Amino acid sequence: GQGVEQPAKLMSVEGTFARVNCTYSTSGFNGLSWYQQREGQAPVFLSYVVLDGLKDSGHFSTFLSRSNGYSYLLLTELQIKDSASYLCAVRVLASSGSWQLIFGSGTQLTVMP
Amino acid sequence: GGIITQTPKFLIGQEGQKLTLKCQQNFNHDTMYWYRQDSGKGLRLIYYSITENDLQKGDLSEGYDASREKKSSFSLTVTSAQKNEMAVFLCASSRGSNTEVFFGKGTRLTVV
Repeated sequence: GQGVEQPAKLMSVEGTFARVNCTYSTSGFNGLSWYQQREGQAPVFLSYVVLDGLKDSGHFSTFLSRSNGYSYLLLTELQIKDSASYLCAVRVLASSGSWQLIFGSGTQLTVMP
Repeated sequence: GGIITQTPKFLIGQEGQKLTLKCQQNFNHDTMYWYRQDSGKGLRLIYYSITENDLQKGDLSEGYDASREKKSSFSLTVTSAQKNEMAVFLCASSRGSNTEVFFGKGTRLTVV
């Protein structure tokens, strides 16, 4: 079957960094996205990667290794407001011929003072 | 910019009741989606639509109907609400290629 796995929880300290991991096993792969979701709010798009390596977007960076089925989202200079759930989603081609996203269950990041 | 509006924000229904959730987007996006989000689980796709009057089933379509009445609106019907139906239902949209998906704030369904 197809699966996207993430650790349920992660804690870190304000001013440091946090790395949110995502592993996937899917039939076909056409990119991986990261979303941030605050409590009671809509998920918000952060990043999309399709090539191996590190994509630096300032506060958020994303890494992808397609051969290992692995990605991470790196948050640097953490602020309390970065506390949220971070969702990983893999883009695959559905049997209907259109693209679909398969989501992980999300990692709840808590940033402590 | 644009916005996705879901109504109602909170929906309380009785077991066995037919319930309808509505979604409007003003991005002029072609593709719209309905996802279900259960606590501790990932978003699961119920239905999606790639254009007006199109419907495609997701992995979780059983027990649901959907309707894409026009490009800007996509509604979801729970055909017979069950107590394990309690979850947040998220509507989303994207320009065809799906690399960036925009979400609404969700409808929280409680079945009594």
